[in-house]
Parts: sequence; structure tokens; C-alpha cells
Amino acid sequence: QVQLVQSGAEVKKPGASVRVSCKGSAYTFTSYDIHWVRQATGQGLEWMGWMNPYSGNTGFAQKFQGRVTMTRDTSINTAYMELSSLRSEDTAMYYCARAPFPNDYWGQGTLVIVSS
Amino acid sequence: DIVMTQTPLSSPVTLGQPASISCRSSQSLVHSDGNTYLSWLQQRPGQPPRLLIYKITNRFSGVPDRFSGSGAGTDFTLKISRVEAEDVGVYYCMQATQFPYTFGQGTKLEIK
Repeated sequence: QVQLVQSGAEVKKPGASVRVSCKGSAYTFTSYDIHWVRQATGQGLEWMGWMNPYSGNTGFAQKFQGRVTMTRDTSINTAYMELSSLRSEDTAMYYCARAPFPNDYWGQGTLVIVSS
Repeated sequence: DIVMTQTPLSSPVTLGQPASISCRSSQSLVHSDGNTYLSWLQQRPGQPPRLLIYKITNRFSGVPDRFSGSGAGTDFTLKISRVEAEDVGVYYCMQATQFPYTFGQGTKLEIK
């Protein structure tokens, strides 16, 4: 069955960058966009952006423009989300999800903690 | 950006009784292709969200028929006909008509 498996939890200092990976399996990786959503502890869901794994085209919420990069390695069916200039407000669970979005194809989440 | 506003933010419900959550968007969610990309998701503690309803009224695969969606334009409703213990969680409406996609604040459903 379709699975998205994300990388493990990260602890970063303010100002650093973090890269989260999302490996897809049991489907044609380049045929479906990948979306990224984050959720601060106890808070709601926030859509960050999307990437087309075939073309590499991306689109981001204005809030993250200039700080987020979404890339992929099609040889290993993996998408990446990198967030730079981290601040404490970026502490959250980060989810990848496959298109059509939304549906039930979500990664398990990656907790990113930003702390000095 | 389209703002999604849910009410109530908390809903204590007795088992077996109905529950209803409203969602209002700051502008029409009718896409140029004629579809309205309004979805409802459920999130249980410690889990990713789960899709319940898409395009206002369509139940996703495996979703019990006690869940139903209705509405049009800017006003939408999720109804649970008879709440069961497994329905406890946070419910979000979400629009995918226009980038950036946006979610409501979430409604916490709990059992009285």
C-alpha cells in the first residue's frame, strides 16, 4: 500500500537549517505532487507548499517564501523540505502528504525542535 | 489568503447524539473549473490528519456514513449523526480552491 516515511526528529539551534525527508513507496513517485504541512504543538494545521516530483516545480505559502526549499531525488523516491533561518516559532511537527491533497496519504510526521 | 473560520472551537457531545461543525470561508470556494474544493479532516491525538469529506459532500473511502458534509459558496457544515467514542479528536475544514491552501482553526470534539 502507498506509504510515506519521514526522517526522524531533529533538534536545531536558532538560525540553523533543517532538512526533512519523505520517502514514497508502492506508487509511481513522479506522478503525484508532494505537499508539506506543519503543526505546532497543540495548534492547528498550516500548509507550507507543494512540489511536483517529476518537474521539480514548487509553490510556497508567502509566509515561507525565501526560507523554504523543496527538492527531490527521484532515484530513491524521496522528497525533501528544507527550512532555513530557524526560529523558536518553527518548532512543530512537519508532515508530507501525497496528492491528490488532501487524502489519506500522509507521512508519520517529523518533529523539529528549535531551541538554544 | 482565504481565511477559514470554524465554529464552535470546542464541542462536548453525548455518545449517540448528533454533532455539527460550521466552517465559513472569507471568499467563495467555487473554483473556475466549477468544483468547490472544501474538505473536512479528522485528527486523533498523535496521528496525522485523516480525510473524511472532500468537495463538500463526498465521503472518502472507508469513512462511516454517520459523517456528512453540506454547504455551498462560503458556508459549510460537517455533521455526525450519532457520535461514537472513536470520533473524539480535532476536526478541520480546509480549502484547496486557491493557493495557499488554508485550514480552519480546528474544532475539538469531546465526549460529555
